[in-house]
Amino acid sequence: ETGVTQTPRHLVMGMTNKKSLKCEQHLGHNAMYWYKQSAKKPLELMFVYSLEERVENNSVPSRFSPECPNSSHLFLHLHTLQPEDSALYLCASRTGLAGTDTQYFGPGTRLTVL
Amino acid sequence: AQKVTQAQTEISVVEKEDVTLDCVYETRDTTYYLFWYKQPPSGELVFLIRRNSFDEQNEISGRYSWNFQKSTSSFNFTITASQVVDSAVYFCALSEARLNSGGSNYKLTFGKGTLLTVNP
Repeated sequence: ETGVTQTPRHLVMGMTNKKSLKCEQHLGHNAMYWYKQSAKKPLELMFVYSLEERVENNSVPSRFSPECPNSSHLFLHLHTLQPEDSALYLCASRTGLAGTDTQYFGPGTRLTVL
Repeated sequence: AQKVTQAQTEISVVEKEDVTLDCVYETRDTTYYLFWYKQPPSGELVFLIRRNSFDEQNEISGRYSWNFQKSTSSFNFTITASQVVDSAVYFCALSEARLNSGGSNYKLTFGKGTLLTVNP
């Protein structure tokens, strides 16, 4: 399998549930990103990992917890979410080389919080 | 601060018409990259093109063409002879360089997107 994959593609959860989103990239990239896309809002950058180190946390509530165990995998752990957290969550990866900064995106996980 | 403006929220055309999607950007960086992505209903953001700030040559790829004009800070995207499969949300984005302990790290600033509907 090639490119950036995300699982699950759809997720419905209650506010008290704990779930995790998974992202895997098969491109040999060194940087990975989580974005949130809500209806009628621009893409919001949530987290950036570069060489497995978190380099950006864009004021995201603590109910979202990222994890990057290696350069190919990125997780977003979800706990006690709110209905307004319902959105499309997109993962992206990039080579990490200076000047080569095209981000390639996965298909997204559409999250619904009841 | 970096900013990308896509003034057209929605555009509707009939198949085979040409359509231009506008993108205007703001940056203080002298070195930057501009991008276009396509997001079909399936949700995935598909990379279309990357342009660096030193290359103002227009580019054509099949029915797609891009017009980069630094003088007006614009990077417009034209689809010639549009097809129903072109229906999607199109995002323009601008990269900024951030330096951190690990070296450079680029951040993308996205516009709000333009929903293009191509009707048969």
